[in-house]
Formats: sequence, C-alpha cells, structure tokens
Amino acid sequence: SQQGEEDPQALSIQEGENATMNCSYKTSINNLQWYRQNSGRGLVHLILIRSNEREKHSGRLRVTLDTSKKSSSLLITASRAADTASYFCATDTGNQFYFGTGTSLTVIP
Amino acid sequence: DTAVSQTPKYLVTQMGNDKSIKCEQNLGHDTMYWYKQDSKKFLKIMFSYNNKELIINETVPNRFSPKSPDKAHLNLHINSLELGDSAVYFCASSQDFRGRVGYTFGSGTRLTVV
Repeated sequence: SQQGEEDPQALSIQEGENATMNCSYKTSINNLQWYRQNSGRGLVHLILIRSNEREKHSGRLRVTLDTSKKSSSLLITASRAADTASYFCATDTGNQFYFGTGTSLTVIP
Repeated sequence: DTAVSQTPKYLVTQMGNDKSIKCEQNLGHDTMYWYKQDSKKFLKIMFSYNNKELIINETVPNRFSPKSPDKAHLNLHINSLELGDSAVYFCASSQDFRGRVGYTFGSGTRLTVV
C-alpha cells in the first residue's frame, strides 16, 4: 500500500533539543504534508512540500524531501514542551491521499 | 468560530444501534471528508465528497453512509453498529478536491460500541 511509515514510532527529548522524524513511502507523489495531532484533538496542517521541492521551512520547522529515496524528514528545532504531540506525514499521489502511522513526540520540560 | 466542528465529541452506544455524527465547516471549502483513526492512530480515509463527486473507500462497509445536505455539512450515518466500529472519527475539509493545499480537521468523535 501507499501507507507512509514514520520513524521512530516514539521519540522523547529534552526541551531545547532538536527533534527529527522521518517518513518513508512507496510510490510517486505530488506532494507530502506534515500534520500535528495533540492528544484528543484533530490534526493540524503544518507544512506541505511539493515533489519538485527539496526543502521547506516554516518557523522552527524544516522539512526535506528526497523523492529518489521516497522519504521525507521533519525537523523541529529548539523544541518546547508544547511541541508534545503525534506527528503524521501524508502523501498525495494524485489519486489517493494517505496518512502514515505517526511519530509520538514527547518534549520533557 | 471553529473552522470544522463535529458533534458529538463522545458517543457510547450498544451494538446494533444506528447513530449519526454531524460535521460542519465554515471555511467555504469545496470538499469534505471522513477519516477513521484506529487504536494504533492510523488514519484511514472513508469518504471524500464535493458537490459533484462522492468517492467511497471500497473497504468501508455499506453500513456507513455519508449524507450532505449542503456544501458546508457532511454527516456520517452508521447502521447496525459493531464492536469493531469503535474508533475516533474525524471530519475534514479542503479547499480543493484533493487537499493539495492541506486539510483542516475537526477535533474528532470518539465512538465506543459496547
């Protein structure tokens, strides 16, 4: 299936450290999106990177995309306790839109 | 001023019952969706719908049916509820039909079938 897979499944870091999450997928995509989900809440769109882009920034977020390896990474710099959440990548193939299984990030104050 | 709102937030019901979850968006988006999130947090699309096309994920049982009275609403009806239907259901909307500029999600409805 096209299901994205995030790695690691869970990540625990100290406040101020950087957090890196990876997403791998299986087929060609039009774009890849990252979402955050706080406990008990809906998903919030963070950033979208198109297939012809290699890197994108938004505040403390940095997303890279390597279409040759079919992978993407999300870097959160200078993490805060409020960044504690689950992070999902989602891939748009043009015909379908798939969410991965998520990375659970815990930022310890 | 919630962008995508769904009700109820929690729903506990017995097997065999019929229930509905309501969703409304005030963003003027063209397309609305229903997603099911299982206990492992995997999100699976169930339906996507705009005023021209309904796309149904073929793995969704026909006990589930979306109903859209207008562009701003997409309700989810579930007949003959089963234990395996227990999950969190998310409504979402997007400006375009494929969500290529991102989706806006509701806060979810936690359905527990007992």
